[in-house]
Amino acid sequence: GAGVSQSPSNKVTEKGKDVELRCDPISGHTALYWYRQSLGQGLEFLIYFQGNSAPDKSGLPSDRFSAERTGGSVSTLTIQRTQQEDSAVYLCASSLVPVTGVSPLHFGNGTRLTVT
Amino acid sequence: TQLLEQSPQFLSIQEGENLTVYCNSSSVFSSLQWYRQEPGEGPVLLVTVVTGGEVKKLKRLTFQFGDARKDSSLHITAAQTGDTGLYLCASQRGSNYKLTFGKGTLLTVNP
Repeated sequence: GAGVSQSPSNKVTEKGKDVELRCDPISGHTALYWYRQSLGQGLEFLIYFQGNSAPDKSGLPSDRFSAERTGGSVSTLTIQRTQQEDSAVYLCASSLVPVTGVSPLHFGNGTRLTVT
Repeated sequence: TQLLEQSPQFLSIQEGENLTVYCNSSSVFSSLQWYRQEPGEGPVLLVTVVTGGEVKKLKRLTFQFGDARKDSSLHITAAQTGDTGLYLCASQRGSNYKLTFGKGTLLTVNP
């Protein structure tokens, strides 16, 4: 498909376990974002990649959260020792980064994470 | 941090009615985007506005950017059930490509 693909679509895990969330961006999109969406909280920025580097990690909530991107394409968001407050929908988005203006973000459908 | 305030938080109307939702900030936007998100899906871009006073129309949706670039509104004429969703505004600050989102307006259009 031509859109942003995220997997799994749903993940239920026990408190204390590690989880990995995957994002396949649109081919050719150099910018990749991770956001978290909780009920009533809107979209919370987590991290931004330009190519394989992450110039802005300011939104990662704690050192239990990490993300990487390889080959300028696929990205994984890892949450270690999950807590109940990590339950949310994790959204990935990609975009072209033009010289001027702001490209639209193209979002995947998210991974719904539930920590029991 | 540029805070985006969206109002109302919830809106429930009947099909055929008109409505307006708002996005405000105490800071100047360099640009503003509106997205719509349907249940179980990611947000989808509706429009980007960059010029103060700009008005853009997308079928029955009219987007307005304030002259001072601190506020924006989305007006829907003759709402349809397919307009149901979460409407989010998002802004970029300066040359930082990070987009900050408001909490959204959850619109329900009843048949």
